[in-house]
Formats: sequence, structure tokens, C-alpha cells
Amino acid sequence: QKEVEQDPGPLSVPEGAIVSLNCTYSNSAFQYFMWYRQYSRKGPELLMYTYSSGNKEDGRFTAQVDKSSKYISLFIRDSQPSDSATYLCAMSDSGGSNYKLTFGKGTLLTVNP
Amino acid sequence: KAGVTQTPRYLIKTRGQQVTLSCSPISGHRSVSWYQQTPGQGLQFLFEYFSETQRNKGNFPGRFSGRQFSNSRSEMNVSTLELGDSALYLCASSLGQGVQYFGAGTRLSVL
Repeated sequence: QKEVEQDPGPLSVPEGAIVSLNCTYSNSAFQYFMWYRQYSRKGPELLMYTYSSGNKEDGRFTAQVDKSSKYISLFIRDSQPSDSATYLCAMSDSGGSNYKLTFGKGTLLTVNP
Repeated sequence: KAGVTQTPRYLIKTRGQQVTLSCSPISGHRSVSWYQQTPGQGLQFLFEYFSETQRNKGNFPGRFSGRQFSNSRSEMNVSTLELGDSALYLCASSLGQGVQYFGAGTRLSVL
């Protein structure tokens, strides 16, 4: 079983749709949960991060973490063509000698005008 | 605040050669991590440096090495290049835990 599982898609939605992206994980030591957006041939750009469980909202984006289910989600409201990219979930534990990010494989999202 | 800077952006090498990639982290960040990204494997962790010390290393052969300087800048070296080393190499900086901020990457092609 991989440490982080993410549906690779591809996911195609019309402009204005609500998009739901999800990841599951197996390592209960993970404390930090991040979502990155990566455009083609660019580096990953941090979108949202959450420490431990709970929800966080930033504009059209909402991140949710359910540690009891080992499940995280990213919701995009009123999706725009400019949201078309690959979305990567990433997680890490509390740091120290084992510090690294573990990534999902990424979900390719296309928002059609 | 300036972001993470990686140089060069593109490299073409032949098998057997070696290559050095450079990364300048965000000012004040003492941790630099390196990742390899390929279509098949996704983002895989190479190693992490904090205050010039390698704290963590991923499952890559010894041909992959790195170092960090006193100003937190980091270099990654790959010796005896193989075709399978063709990838996007990403550097990320952080305060030492939690969130990491990525550079644009160096795209390495091995012919």
C-alpha cells in the first residue's frame, strides 16, 4: 500500500463547477497537509496547508483534513479555466531527521470554458 | 521576498557525464530539500539539508549527492548519468518543518 493515494484523473469539468479532489494516506504520523498546484513545465505552487485536522478556506478554495479517516480534500468553487493544472496533495510529519514531503501522484484537472 | 531560485533551468547531457544543479532558498530558510519528478513515479524525495547537515535521504543510489553551504544555498550532483535520470529536479525550501516552497525546477535530459 502506498503511503499516499490520489486519483490521477484526468478530471474535466465545465467552468463554474465545484471541483472535489481527494487523497488518502496510511501514515498516522503525518501532521502537515498541503495542496500544490502545478502548471505544465513549472514547479509546484503552494495553494493551501493545514496543520492537523480541520477545515481551512481561502477564497474559492477549501481544504479539509479528517485524520480519523486518513482522508484529505480540496474543494474549488466557481472553477475557472485558469484552474486547469495538476493538483498534488503532500504530507509530512512533525519534522526533524525524518523531514520530507510525501506526495500523491497528482490529479490532472481541466476546466472547460 | 524572492522565491526559490534554481539554475540552470534546462540541461542536456550524455550518458556517463556528471551534472551539478544549484538552488538558492528563500531568505531565512535553513532547510533545502530536493525531489525528482518523472511522469511514471511522480515526485520522489532525494534528500534534505538543514544548516549544512544532511538530515534525511531517500532511496536513490549513491550517484546522487548534495551539499549545503553556510548561506543555505544548496547544490545537487549526479555522477555517471543514466538515461533514466532524465527528469525535472525540484528544490524546495522551508523553515525546517511543515510547508515547503518550490523553485521552478531544472529539466535534465540525458541522451
